Amino acid sequence: GAGVSQSPSNKVTEKGKDVELRCDPISGHTALYWYRQRLGQGLEFLIYFQGNSAPDKSGLPSDRFSAERTGESVSTLTIQRTQQEDSAVYLCASSSRPSGANVLTFGAGSRLTVL
Amino acid sequence: GQSLEQPSEVTAVEGAIVQINCTYQTSGFYGLSWYQQHDGGAPTFLSYNGLDGLEETGRFSSFLSRSDSYGYLLLQELQMKDSASYFCAVRDPDRDDKIIFGKGTRLHILP
Repeated sequence: GAGVSQSPSNKVTEKGKDVELRCDPISGHTALYWYRQRLGQGLEFLIYFQGNSAPDKSGLPSDRFSAERTGESVSTLTIQRTQQEDSAVYLCASSSRPSGANVLTFGAGSRLTVL
Repeated sequence: GQSLEQPSEVTAVEGAIVQINCTYQTSGFYGLSWYQQHDGGAPTFLSYNGLDGLEETGRFSSFLSRSDSYGYLLLQELQMKDSASYFCAVRDPDRDDKIIFGKGTRLHILP
């Protein structure tokens, strides 16, 4: 597609439920990132996929968080047993093979509200 | 590894000039990028400096000094629409070229 697509754009869930967030990167982009952004805060790195390399999961805050990526396409971020502290905007970004500026293109985000 | 430092907030007056600084510590360096994020929006790429010096794009300029591990974003003729958060970023060659962001600088513009 022309840009990075994320779904759902908004998700309201009850504490304890599982949620799945989806990211469709730009076609041909080998790198894919997930970030969490709480209101008024910076970008909190969660996970990084680069081609066929093992993903960098160093930012996942707990074992309730996991992410998968199918080849160099769609990625899903799963949060199990959601907590109120998980409420945030989850941003996905992708980029082509590293060179020069290695510009990241972000999706519009998925806003998660845990009641 | 990489780390970046930038001020958390900067305030300036409409029509003025403002500079947002970024210092970095890197084990390898492939240039410094800047992103802009408006409230409720996604970050968007603004500029990139791979070599020392000034890069200009309209009212925005970005500067890099590799010897000082320092760069800045310069915004001229400030407009209210420039109110946003600005993030500097570098690529980490030790981590599969992962992009590392600073914590962001919130720019407040006064009329």
